[in-house]
Amino acid sequence: KAGVTQTPRYLIKTRGQQVTLSCSPISGHRSVSWYQQTPGQGLQFLFEYFSETQRNKGNFPGRFSGRQFSNSRSEMNVSTLELGDSALYLCASSLAGGRHGETQYFGPGTRLLVL
Amino acid sequence: AQTVTQSQPEMSVQEAETVTLSCTYDTSENNYYLFWYKQPPSRQMILVIRQEAYKQQNATENRFSVNFQKAAKSFSLKISDSQLGDTAMYFCAFEANNLFFGTGTRLTVIP
Repeated sequence: KAGVTQTPRYLIKTRGQQVTLSCSPISGHRSVSWYQQTPGQGLQFLFEYFSETQRNKGNFPGRFSGRQFSNSRSEMNVSTLELGDSALYLCASSLAGGRHGETQYFGPGTRLLVL
Repeated sequence: AQTVTQSQPEMSVQEAETVTLSCTYDTSENNYYLFWYKQPPSRQMILVIRQEAYKQQNATENRFSVNFQKAAKSFSLKISDSQLGDTAMYFCAFEANNLFFGTGTRLTVIP
């Protein structure tokens, strides 16, 4: 079974621009979660989508948004980029949302650099 | 609110030796899950081991085992017979609808 894939792997943007990142979960998984990883803040939860609905959201500003399609692929969008948005963005997929000890499977991440 | 603390930013261990990574957490929940995830350099993060708080027996996965002390809210990871492939960032995580991660411990296995 193919693992979680994320595109693009690397991205350079300038302040004020917007960006869209994509995540394709493992086949059959209906939940996709997004995390931001930075050296200063570590790994922080952004949001989770399950069956095309946002089920859970972390403490990030409204510039961060996402969606999920009927094939469970998910996109996250960041508008009006700031320097502090430079990070590794990870997505993780699971069958039912990673609850009750369910394993989440992580993608390789998209490294975003904002100049 | 859930918090996860890893107090050892970096550790090193000689190949074939044993190392223990520390993790403490804070929660008001009674039943929950704890995890250790491993993030090798430039590679994907993978699950190492999980522990259900309801179970008293410590989880074991081959060379990896945990010391779970529920009352002390402590969840340490022991790696036995360390191998070069164990070199990675190790994250302790608490599940509460989503994963709350600690700041990680960078482990280097020295040949």
